[in-house]
Amino acid sequence: GEKVEQHESTLSVREGDSAVINCTYTDTASSYFPWYKQEAGKSLHFVIDIRSNVDRKQSQRLIVLLDKKAKRFSLHITATQPEDSAIYFCAASRGNNRIFFGDGTQLVVKP
Amino acid sequence: DPKIIQKPKYLVAVTGSEKILICEQYLGHNAMYWYRQSAKKPLEFMFSYSYQKLMDNQTASSRFQPQSSKKNHLDLQITALKPDDSATYFCASSHVQGNSDYTFGSGTRLLVI
Repeated sequence: GEKVEQHESTLSVREGDSAVINCTYTDTASSYFPWYKQEAGKSLHFVIDIRSNVDRKQSQRLIVLLDKKAKRFSLHITATQPEDSAIYFCAASRGNNRIFFGDGTQLVVKP
Repeated sequence: DPKIIQKPKYLVAVTGSEKILICEQYLGHNAMYWYRQSAKKPLEFMFSYSYQKLMDNQTASSRFQPQSSKKNHLDLQITALKPDDSATYFCASSHVQGNSDYTFGSGTRLLVI
């Protein structure tokens, strides 16, 4: 089955800088790539996704890039704020089966 | 108002006992899931249901049994509880399986003593 890997288990940035979280996947048939955020002591919530028909998507300070050839996708958070501190999970799916999650990246935004 | 309700929020159970974790969603979604999160595994998939049918089961133990009495319900029965079952159990749902984002419940924190 699909295997999604997040390369950074923790990431620390200064407030105002950009943060980049990288993920790779193994299933070439994967076509849907959502991202989730989990704040301390809380549940996960959806933040942004990208489908394989595009290679870039932006929603305010969040940018997702998809490189299908390399089977790699990334989440860029620009102008980071302390409230961006959380665990971010990337995920992938073929579209007709369940979503496969990475192990999460703990992002710390230092003031 | 929460769109996915998980009950109870916290649960303490004695080793060997049986508990049922409740999950109801009011989003009109057709697919529902159970995940487990612990210090050992960040997010571990357990079950997926689509239109009340079991689609995927990655739980090795038969002590974990999902129960879907209605389309918007997916409860999780756990029997013969062990301390290793201590974790936060998240229920999630999506419009369709795999091609739309999941909405997660707030979780049930289970402690087995």
